[in-house]
Amino acid sequence: KAGVTQTPRYLIKTRGQQVTLSCSPISGHRSVSWYQQTPGQGLQFLFEYFSETQRNKGNFPGRFSGRQFSNSRSEMNVSTLELGDSALYLCASSLSQDTQYFGPGTRLTVL
Amino acid sequence: AQSVTQLDSHVSVSEGTPVLLRCNYSSSYSPSLFWYVQHPNKGLQLLLKYTSAATLVKGINGFEAEFKKSETSFHLTKPSDHMSDAAEYFCVVRSGTYKYIFGTGTRLKVLA
Repeated sequence: KAGVTQTPRYLIKTRGQQVTLSCSPISGHRSVSWYQQTPGQGLQFLFEYFSETQRNKGNFPGRFSGRQFSNSRSEMNVSTLELGDSALYLCASSLSQDTQYFGPGTRLTVL
Repeated sequence: AQSVTQLDSHVSVSEGTPVLLRCNYSSSYSPSLFWYVQHPNKGLQLLLKYTSAATLVKGINGFEAEFKKSETSFHLTKPSDHMSDAAEYFCVVRSGTYKYIFGTGTRLKVLA
């Protein structure tokens, strides 16, 4: 089975721009979670989607949003980028509330 | 509320010697616990998980962890380390709302 894939792998944006990241879960997995990883804050949970509905949400501002499509693929969007949004964004998929399997991440750099 | 504490931010061991990465958790009920490994510039790979079956859990690459309820611990061990094990290791507890709560990570350095 193919693993979790994330696109793009690397991204460079400037302050004020917006960005969309994509995640394709393992086939058959209906839950997709997003995390932000930075050296200072570690791994922080952004949100989780299950069957196109947001099921859990972390403590991030409204500039961070996501959605899930009927094929379970998910996107996250960050609007009005700030320097502090530079991070590795990780996506994880699971069957339902089971073990999460992570993708390789998207490295976002905001200049 | 659930939480997890990784007691060491950095651990250095010599190649071929045992390694111990310590993790304590807090949970109001029987938790699900995981260890993940992250190599530089990579995503997280599942090493092993505990979900209330056997208290000694065997994972990939020779790693194992023991769930000790009385000590609220879930330490990760490996009897003989390799250079390829140098990475960052995360202990994770799954909360009642099915959120994953990550520890702050332990960076393992393996000395030749």
